[in-house]
Amino acid sequence: AQSVSQHNHHVILSEAASLELGCNYSYGGTVNLFWYVQYPGQHLQLLLKYFSGDPLVKGIKGFEAEFIKSKFSFNLRKPSVQWSDTAEYFCAVNAAGGFQKLVFGTGTRLLVSP
Amino acid sequence: NAGVTQTPKFRVLKTGQSMTLLCAQDMNHEYMYWYRQDPGMGLRLIHYSVGEGTTAKGEVPDGYNVSRLKKQNFLLGLESAAPSQTSVYFCASLGQYNSPLHFGNGTRLTVT
Repeated sequence: AQSVSQHNHHVILSEAASLELGCNYSYGGTVNLFWYVQYPGQHLQLLLKYFSGDPLVKGIKGFEAEFIKSKFSFNLRKPSVQWSDTAEYFCAVNAAGGFQKLVFGTGTRLLVSP
Repeated sequence: NAGVTQTPKFRVLKTGQSMTLLCAQDMNHEYMYWYRQDPGMGLRLIHYSVGEGTTAKGEVPDGYNVSRLKKQNFLLGLESAAPSQTSVYFCASLGQYNSPLHFGNGTRLTVT
């Protein structure tokens, strides 16, 4: 069964700082990878996804993530964060070609100070 | 297009009481899921359904039951609520293979 680790539980940044959130997964086969964001009081929304092809994936709001297969990683990046990026970020994985049972990481709470 | 709708939005129960959470989707999706979200634990899958009339257990199914009598609805039941079931519950649906989940707005449940 697949699992996901997010090592940063809380991150505090100032506006304009660069962001990188770590995500590692464990699964021996081909995977689909996702980053979801949850703004305060809201439901989860998809930021970006990787299914195949170019390992550098661009999402909404200036976010991007890079799939490094050899490291089982899918780190989320943003060059310059804004106060409005304050939210909780979840990495998720499911096995490609199989049932769509999405497994989530424990989340990273990001606080951006103005 | 409403997407995924959960009712109720909030509920407070006493230990031992029962309740049903309703999830409705209008996108003709085959797959539906119930997750619970707890601080520091992310989202954990309770039960899921791959189509009308089918249900299956996820990671944390104990204390919950589900039914999918109609394709558009997925009900989550708590027969005898316990304080450990205090959580935020999210329903999600999935249409085509390799597409992302669509989430509802959540139900905040407190069991005292």
